[in-house]
Amino acid sequence: GESVGLHLPTLSVQEGDNSIINCAYSNSASDYFIWYKQESGKGPQFIIDIRSNMDKRQGQRVTVLLNKTVKHLSLQIAATQPGDSAVYFCAENYAGSARQLTFGSGTQLTVLP
Amino acid sequence: EAGVAQSPRYKIIEKRQSVAFWCNPISGHATLYWYQQILGQGPKLLIQFQNNGVVDDSQLPKDRFSAERLKGVDSTLKIQPAKLEDSAVYLCASSFYGTEETQYFGPGTRLLVL
Repeated sequence: GESVGLHLPTLSVQEGDNSIINCAYSNSASDYFIWYKQESGKGPQFIIDIRSNMDKRQGQRVTVLLNKTVKHLSLQIAATQPGDSAVYFCAENYAGSARQLTFGSGTQLTVLP
Repeated sequence: EAGVAQSPRYKIIEKRQSVAFWCNPISGHATLYWYQQILGQGPKLLIQFQNNGVVDDSQLPKDRFSAERLKGVDSTLKIQPAKLEDSAVYLCASSFYGTEETQYFGPGTRLLVL
């Protein structure tokens, strides 16, 4: 079946640097994408979303970029902080799936002091 | 507003035993989900409820897993008998009807089957 995957399982960045987490999706029918942050012992927490009619969306210190041509999604975190250390998941869905989410396997982000 | 509540937070059982998890969704959320998250992987949907009806249970191993949401609010997920491979975090999520793409997750129940 269709799936969402991530390019890198782990990412280490220096505190204050920018982080970029990538995600590839395979379902061309997907029209809505979400990034989640999951800290140890907690459930996934919504970070930012983007619909397929957009290429870029910005939040507070986070930006999501969507490239539908190559089916690629990225999450950029500006001025990465120790509190950003977590596993980040991208998820996709489309109207034909009862809006069910399909998650990738995640990227572990570690912020180094 | 209060978030999605789950209990217990941790459970250790031996294989072939039974176990049950409880979830209380956010007030007013008609849609409720149960996910299984194996270590190192993303959550995988087990079952989706709309009020007290099942929308999708195609990925629920029905020979051992069961779930119910009798009054359209709280839900329980049961495993009987448990297998070693059932060791995982079981996440409950909820959403408003019509905005199912926006799901709010509980803290999960971490199950270890020995």
